[in-house]
Amino acid sequence: QVQLVQSGTEVKKPGASVKVSCKASGYTFTNYAMFWVRQAPGQSLEWMGWINTANGNTKYSRNFQGRVTITRDTSATTSYMEVSSLTSEDTAVYYCARNLGGSTLIGFDIWGQGTMVTVSS
Amino acid sequence: SYELTQPPSVSVSPGQTASITCSGDKLGEKYSCWYQQKPGQSPVLVIYQDTKRPSGISERFSGSNSGNTATLTISETQTMDEADYYCQAWDSSTAVFGLGTKLTVL
Repeated sequence: QVQLVQSGTEVKKPGASVKVSCKASGYTFTNYAMFWVRQAPGQSLEWMGWINTANGNTKYSRNFQGRVTITRDTSATTSYMEVSSLTSEDTAVYYCARNLGGSTLIGFDIWGQGTMVTVSS
Repeated sequence: SYELTQPPSVSVSPGQTASITCSGDKLGEKYSCWYQQKPGQSPVLVIYQDTKRPSGISERFSGSNSGNTATLTISETQTMDEADYYCQAWDSSTAVFGLGTKLTVL
């Protein structure tokens, strides 16, 4: 079945970086853009950026410009999201999500299970 | 930056109709989506392109979008519908989410 499986829980110190993976299966990876969204404890969803999985083009939220890098490995049908210079405010659940409309921006029909990232000294 | 406003909470009795609004400048000129999220779970898309339901989503869920307001309507509300609901719209190829509405069924 169509699914996105993310890497496991991470605990990082302030100033460190974290890289989360998202493996897709059950569909043609390069036919659908991949988005990354995070949710701090008790807070709303926050869009971070997305990648065109066919050509690797990316777009990032201004809130994360320069600190977030999204990549993909088409042979592994996996997308990666790396955040640098972590602070306690980056403590959140990080989700990957597939765009329903391929490269046409519609909405997120398939979500990963989420990866908890805790930033603490 | 573009902002979407939702009421923090909505309460409804079982079997009644629940309406959750989402307001934004000229929102009716953009496509809107709605997501349901239950505690400890990933969000689930329930409405996209204002009125469409993904496969597997109950017909009790419907959406509309006009002027500055998009609305998610849940008919014959059940206790299983109790969750947080987030609206989302697109603004210059960026995804914007509302702060969410907690739906209580009691």
